Amino acid sequence: DSGVTQTPKHLITATGQRVTLRCSPRSGDLSVYWYQQSLDQGLQFLIQYYNGEERAKGNILERFSAQQFPDLHSELNLSSLELGDSALYFCASSVASGVRETQYFGPGTRLLVL
Amino acid sequence: GENVEQHPSTLSVQEGDSAVIKCTYSDSASNYFPWYKQELGKRPQLIIDIRSNVGEKKDQRIAVTLNKTAKHFSLHITETQPEDSAVYFCAEPGGSNYKLTFGKGTLLTVNP
Repeated sequence: DSGVTQTPKHLITATGQRVTLRCSPRSGDLSVYWYQQSLDQGLQFLIQYYNGEERAKGNILERFSAQQFPDLHSELNLSSLELGDSALYFCASSVASGVRETQYFGPGTRLLVL
Repeated sequence: GENVEQHPSTLSVQEGDSAVIKCTYSDSASNYFPWYKQELGKRPQLIIDIRSNVGEKKDQRIAVTLNKTAKHFSLHITETQPEDSAVYFCAEPGGSNYKLTFGKGTLLTVNP
């Protein structure tokens, strides 16, 4: 157990819908990262927040957005869902925001868009 | 640029043999190279990392080597065991201080 929690574990929804994925970082960690893992694209970095502020952006679609709240938990919002958005979404956390910081991954949320 | 190539995509070895996975990167500014292990149905976990000021780092049966001139780094697992079976990902930051680009992964199978 890494100490990072994610809810829900599984999510099944329909195309066009909107969902929210939630992540709670390890106690004391200020950075939160979101990744998308699919069979054909591997592990793709989406976005990073540090202490409430966006720190880095990756291949995140405009239909996706995220935020980090004052209590440091983070939410990833996915809207206008498409079949291709079906994937495993991981959240990770680290103490600070530098790339050399060890990232601890949560168990992931498996999203299935039908 | 952000581009890391990982080979092979699958690797099958006999228990006790060694396994080597190689990653090639393009950005000479990259200075940190972690390796993550992801067991089936589990989360990725950092197993070893290396910084650009050293050429090799070992931790028991695993080691990572870095060739900055050729821009590649490799994961070496010796005396493989069935529990080493997993997908292994390399990563590198390119010129970024904040984000990692991951390789496509290598599925390692250790046969008893």
